[in-house]
Amino acid sequence: EPEVTQTPSHQVTQMGQEVILRCVPISNHLYFYWYRQILGQKVEFLVSFYNNEISEKSEIFDDQFSVERPDGSNFTLKIRSTKLEDSAMYFCATHRDHNEKLFFGSGTQLSVL
Amino acid sequence: QQQVKQSPQSLIVQKGGIPIINCAYENTAFDYFPWYQQFPGKGPALLIAIRPDVSEKKEGRFTISFNKSAKQFSLHIMDSQPGDSATYFCAASKGTGTASKLTFGTGTRLQVTL
Repeated sequence: EPEVTQTPSHQVTQMGQEVILRCVPISNHLYFYWYRQILGQKVEFLVSFYNNEISEKSEIFDDQFSVERPDGSNFTLKIRSTKLEDSAMYFCATHRDHNEKLFFGSGTQLSVL
Repeated sequence: QQQVKQSPQSLIVQKGGIPIINCAYENTAFDYFPWYQQFPGKGPALLIAIRPDVSEKKEGRFTISFNKSAKQFSLHIMDSQPGDSATYFCAASKGTGTASKLTFGTGTRLQVTL
């Protein structure tokens, strides 16, 4: 089965630093999402992205967060100035079309110290 | 109104048993109800999904029961196996398809013992 690839698998950073999480979607997928999961809690929607623009974003996705697809393949999530509460597992998810299965990557575990 | 409530938080069954996980929602605009299975260190993987025009859907050993009037849906795992031990999340979304954001339940940690 095709896979969504995320790098790095683990990221440790100091509070206030910028981090970039990367995702390689399945080829020919057009819809992209970022979700996050704080340890032991539910998976929460952050943002959806289609046709090179944000479709929807949650309250969590404030001005410190941004997404882009810089080279037409990688899909990135940037956190400009990390806070302790940003520590979580971040999942990228993609699918080709509205009515098709959503594939999740294995996640990036972000630890903010 | 956007919440999806899931229970139980954890569940232990013996091999061959039938664990049942329940979810309830408030938002009647939700029209897509998937269940995801998550193993430690992995992302959620779609297990089975249902739309409100049917009351039951079965795929292999996994069955979703859907009660539109009660705004509840549940996952049944027939003949459960130790390999089914994982965390299960129900979810819901609204819109014309599955592109809309998923609202997840809080998860159920299932352990299937020998």
